[in-house]
Amino acid sequence: TQLLEQSPQFLSIQEGENLTVYCNSSSVFSSLQWYRQEPGEGPVLLVTVVTGGEVKKLKRLTFQFGDARKDSSLHITAAQPGDTGLYLCAGSMDSNYQLIWGAGTKLIIKP
Amino acid sequence: NAGVTQTPKFQVLKTGQSMTLQCAQDMNHEYMSWYRQDPGMGLRLIHYSVGAGITDQGEVPNGYNVSRSTTEDFPLRLLSAAPSQTSVYFCASRDSGGSTDTQYFGPGTRLTVL
Repeated sequence: TQLLEQSPQFLSIQEGENLTVYCNSSSVFSSLQWYRQEPGEGPVLLVTVVTGGEVKKLKRLTFQFGDARKDSSLHITAAQPGDTGLYLCAGSMDSNYQLIWGAGTKLIIKP
Repeated sequence: NAGVTQTPKFQVLKTGQSMTLQCAQDMNHEYMSWYRQDPGMGLRLIHYSVGAGITDQGEVPNGYNVSRSTTEDFPLRLLSAAPSQTSVYFCASRDSGGSTDTQYFGPGTRLTVL
């Protein structure tokens, strides 16, 4: 059973379009992280959110943590080919750092 | 500062063979972890260590051993390889026990067991 459900699993859109990917759970997390992974490489941290309702922006990427700290979203404005990759969310439920990972959203941005 | 390094990059084994996947970090991080990544399943924790001399099991530890004799190194041993262990293996490290710490990943080892 996947504690963190990511949707969609796969998304292919044209350059310039906007998109949102989701990370949902029935469990409450103390913090949630988003990573991007490019082919042949390990995941790289994009952002950490810790407060319910928190919104963080990273250039064209906007991350939101749900009010109840059970879900999160990643919105990309005017997507570019460089945004292509696997986006993973990972949540922490307690202080002993056992991250729980979603299965990822594979994003392809076509020129 | 090389970050987290892993060797080898690729490996093909026959069923029953053993091997060690190497992982090293030069950031003086206390926490190190081994994950495997399979399509559609995300990252699954195999073993982790909270410091030199201390290791513990993760979600999928069967068939793997680890040791942590130094802060820098955290090798993963496959005792008797099975086709089910075909996967991409990632080593990761982070500074301390805080859940908001950045986790740094190595480039991965792609393992095929025939």
